[in-house]
Amino acid sequence: EPEVTQTPSHQVTQMGQEVILRCVPISNHLYFYWYRQILGQKVEFLVSFYNNEISEKSEIFDDQFSVERPDGSNFTLKIRSTKLEDSAMYFCASSERLLNQPQHFGDGTRLSIL
Amino acid sequence: LAKTTQPISMDSYEGQEVNITCSHNNIATNDYITWYQQFPSQGPRFIIQGYKTKVTNEVASLFIPADRKSSTLSLPRVSLSDTAVYYCLVGDNDYKLSFGAGTTVTVRA
Repeated sequence: EPEVTQTPSHQVTQMGQEVILRCVPISNHLYFYWYRQILGQKVEFLVSFYNNEISEKSEIFDDQFSVERPDGSNFTLKIRSTKLEDSAMYFCASSERLLNQPQHFGDGTRLSIL
Repeated sequence: LAKTTQPISMDSYEGQEVNITCSHNNIATNDYITWYQQFPSQGPRFIIQGYKTKVTNEVASLFIPADRKSSTLSLPRVSLSDTAVYYCLVGDNDYKLSFGAGTTVTVRA
């Protein structure tokens, strides 16, 4: 079964540094998403992306965050100047269509900010 | 998005059937009910989705009464590997999945 893959599995970064998290969605999927989960807390929506533009974003997704689909397979999340509170699991997801279609999640990148 | 309420935790033993009920009193006409499973340090995994009556797949069954104000996820003959957090989500806008705290199911030998 095709799956969403994320790299790296664990990223350790100094506060203030830029970090890029990478995702390869399922190949025939058109909608892409990022979520995060702080340790012990709920999975939170960050942003959705379709047709090379952001469809919706949450309050968490401020100017420090950006997303990009640089080629036909990758989908990236960039945090420009990381803060301690950005430490979390970041999950990428994709879906084939929008309505009533399940989202398929990767196994996440654990981001640790020192 | 419709608010959902589900038990915080449930314990079971291997081989038993586990039923998790989710309340969603203000579900809208266009809303679907979707269940996800999450293991520690992994992303949520889609289990099943339904609109009304009963849906069954190779993993689980989903029972939805006529008023659709609740739904029950049924896991037949659970094993230790079914220990996970199970989330009930309700909505028609799949741009933004809204996860609650979920139900932590612990299966014991």
